[in-house]
Parts: sequence; structure tokens; C-alpha cells
Amino acid sequence: QQPVQSPQAVILREGEDAVINCSSSKALYSVHWYRQKHGEAPVFLMILLKGGEQKGHDKISASFNEKKQQSSLYLTASQLSYSGTYFCGTQRDDKVIFGPGTSLSVIP
Amino acid sequence: EPEVTQTPSHQVTQMGQEVILRCVPISNHLYFYWYRQILGQKVEFLVSFYNNEISEKSEIFDDQFSVERPDGSNFTLKIRSTKLEDSAMYFCASKASGTYNEQFFGPGTRLTVL
Repeated sequence: QQPVQSPQAVILREGEDAVINCSSSKALYSVHWYRQKHGEAPVFLMILLKGGEQKGHDKISASFNEKKQQSSLYLTASQLSYSGTYFCGTQRDDKVIFGPGTSLSVIP
Repeated sequence: EPEVTQTPSHQVTQMGQEVILRCVPISNHLYFYWYRQILGQKVEFLVSFYNNEISEKSEIFDDQFSVERPDGSNFTLKIRSTKLEDSAMYFCASKASGTYNEQFFGPGTRLTVL
């Protein structure tokens, strides 16, 4: 079962912050975050393995609440280069099941 | 930096024809994957491959699909008799050993079935 993401789309001005949420009805053991720019392949951002773990990648960080079966991606002081579709993925055995994606547009 | 490569970048075929999409995973990786993305939609898992056999497949991966690692470097996806709804971007990905490692995606092959 695929994870659920919210919001579906968000438009930001450069320098603003955003949060993208990912949740699953099934137990989560790990959460992957990828960003895909239009016409390109998904690019790995980070993986979170433990409940409550937070990781960072430049001004992008994420948290993982295993109990609530949720993960959130935090984009701080957004840059134009952050534009793209963000997918969370939940890993089960050998495969990653991706959510429907959140389209993020950063405008000047 | 090592990367996953895919050929061709774009394949156009007639409905009912067979196509083979090719991928060269990163050389020391052991896990290989195919994903599909219909235009504007999410990335969908098709199949995972490890130790020369399919480890998992989705319901999309029916009898018309097959995968092969014919030599030490290539990883192929064959669609036996293409349908219009097979038109999509197909991504190959590979992963190093270890359960929780990132998957590296190739640039994709755009398949158009006419």
C-alpha cells in the first residue's frame, strides 16, 4: 500500500519554508525521500531509519515518527533549485513504494 | 562519479511489438530494479532482482514482462507484446549491498507505444 503525501502541490517564494508530509497505514521501518525535476530521474535526498530520527541535506531536513507512521520533509529558506516533485517512499523488504508526490514550485 | 545508464533514451514502437530496454547498473551494486512512471504520475515499482533472480514483483509486472541479466553488466527489461498503456518512462535503479541503502536511478527510457 502506497504512502500518502500532503500537500499535493505547493508554491513558495524564494526564501520561504515548506513542510511536506508522508504517512502510511502500515508500520514504517524506513522512509526514503527523493526529488524529481521535470524530465529527469528521481534523485535520492535521504533515508530515515529510526523513529524520531532527523537527517539533514543542506537546508532540507526530515523527521521520522515511527509510532505515528509519519515522516515530514522540511525545506528551509527555499531556493529556486528546490523546485520539483518530492516523493517519499516506504521500504518493505527489497522494494520501495513511492507516494504520489508533492509538486513544489519556488518562484522569485 | 559512477552512475546508472540506460539505452535507448526514447523508444517508439507499434502496439504488439516486443521491446527490450537496457540498463547498466553501477558496477559493484547487487540489487537491481525497474520502475515505471506514466506521464505526470507517481513512480511505480515493477520488479526487483538480486542474485540472478527476481526477488519481488508488483501486480503490474505480468507475464508480458521479463527481466534478465545476460552478462556481468547489463540488466534488461523485455515487454513481449506492447500495449498502448505501456507508454511511460521506465527507470532502472541499482543499490549496493545492505538493506537500507539508497537506490541510484538511471536517466530513464521513454517508451511510446503507437
